Amino acid sequence: QKEVEQNSGPLSVPEGAIASLNCTYSDRVSQSFFWYRQYSGKSPELIMSIYSNGDKEDGRFTAQLNKASQYVSLLIRDSQPSDSATYLCAVKAAGYFGNEKLTFGTGTRLTIIP
Amino acid sequence: NAGVMQNPRHLVRRRGQEARLRCSPMKGHSHVYWYRQLPEEGLKFMVYLQKENIIDESGMPKERFSAEFPKEGPSILRIQQVVRGDSAAYFCASSRGDRGFSEAFFGQGTRLTVV
Repeated sequence: QKEVEQNSGPLSVPEGAIASLNCTYSDRVSQSFFWYRQYSGKSPELIMSIYSNGDKEDGRFTAQLNKASQYVSLLIRDSQPSDSATYLCAVKAAGYFGNEKLTFGTGTRLTIIP
Repeated sequence: NAGVMQNPRHLVRRRGQEARLRCSPMKGHSHVYWYRQLPEEGLKFMVYLQKENIIDESGMPKERFSAEFPKEGPSILRIQQVVRGDSAAYFCASSRGDRGFSEAFFGQGTRLTVV
């Protein structure tokens, strides 16, 4: 079982609609969760971090975390063509013994259709 | 307010040569991650370091690859005797390392091409 799993897509969403990206993780001691956006040929850019159960909103982005289900998601409201990119879910374990390796899923390619 | 700085941005090496990739973390950050990414693939973890200490090198190939983060200066990822299969984008990210709660920010990457 992969440590961090994402649907590779491609996921196509009409402009103005809500894009929903999902991620599951296997390590129960994980405590920090991040979403990165990566445009083709560019480096990953951090867009959201979430540490506790529930929702966290930042502009058009909402991250949702459910530690009991080991599930984290990202919602993008009012999707724009500029949101077309690969979205990477990343998970970090607790740092009690220095084990803070930041592990990435393979990413979901999102395309917003004008 | 410089972000994470990587250099060079592009590096071409002949098979058998050495490649040295540099990463200067953001101000106030003491931890560095290195990742490798092949075209159309995900980020593969290589190594996690703090100054003068390797915390986790579970993703590093056993041979030819090494990393360091000295007390002064940038973190260095060194690849000896490069082969065609080493051609990839290498990204570093830095964080404060607050026991798992700190965010990591990426540099622009170094694109290594082995000819």
